Amino acid sequence: EVQLVESGGGLVQPGGSLRLSCAASGFTVSSNYMSWVRQAPGKGLEWVSVIYSGGSTYYADSVKGRFTISRDNSKNTLYLQMNSLRAEDTAVYYCARAGSYSPNTPHDYWGQGTLVTVSS
Amino acid sequence: AIRMTQSPSSFSASTGDRVTITCRASQGISSYLAWYQQKPGKAPKLLIYAASTLQSGVPSRFSGSGSGTDFTLTISCLQSEDFATYYCQQYYSYPPMYTFGQGTKLEIK
Repeated sequence: EVQLVESGGGLVQPGGSLRLSCAASGFTVSSNYMSWVRQAPGKGLEWVSVIYSGGSTYYADSVKGRFTISRDNSKNTLYLQMNSLRAEDTAVYYCARAGSYSPNTPHDYWGQGTLVTVSS
Repeated sequence: AIRMTQSPSSFSASTGDRVTITCRASQGISSYLAWYQQKPGKAPKLLIYAASTLQSGVPSRFSGSGSGTDFTLTISCLQSEDFATYYCQQYYSYPPMYTFGQGTKLEIK
């Protein structure tokens, strides 16, 4: 059974850092295209970042230069390192799988989300 | 960047109704279009991909159509469990952006 479990969210001050984790089971993270998607309170979904199975990474303009996506193949875990956090980064962060054959695939499995709150 | 626009943003309907939600892309995306359902406090759930292909386990009352720039999601006979927010998403662009529409909240009349 495919499962994604996020952790690492919490309250952080503006300018601070946080690292989110997404532990996967039932499939191999490194063989898939994996994304982070966020949702601000009461708002819609916003794609944040993707890591390709080959290792290439891409980011939304809103987080480019501040966030870094990575993975640990030995732990089958996806990460999102978030630096220089701003109030507008406050959101529930979901990790999601975008398939294994191509990056041009939808997100078929999602974690339950972890809340990040940026506030002083 | 490709922009996705859904309409309406919200509307009310009754169980048994047939409802249609539209999604328009700012440029052609072929059939690289997915629909998701999200209930409060839950993660999104993939309903339809490739514009019209039903994800495994999704009831057949859900259907999708369209290609290029204009797409629709239709629920043929609303059930109580269908009241939720629906999002379209394009996965065509490179570099990848996976842009979502702003969402359509379907409420009980």
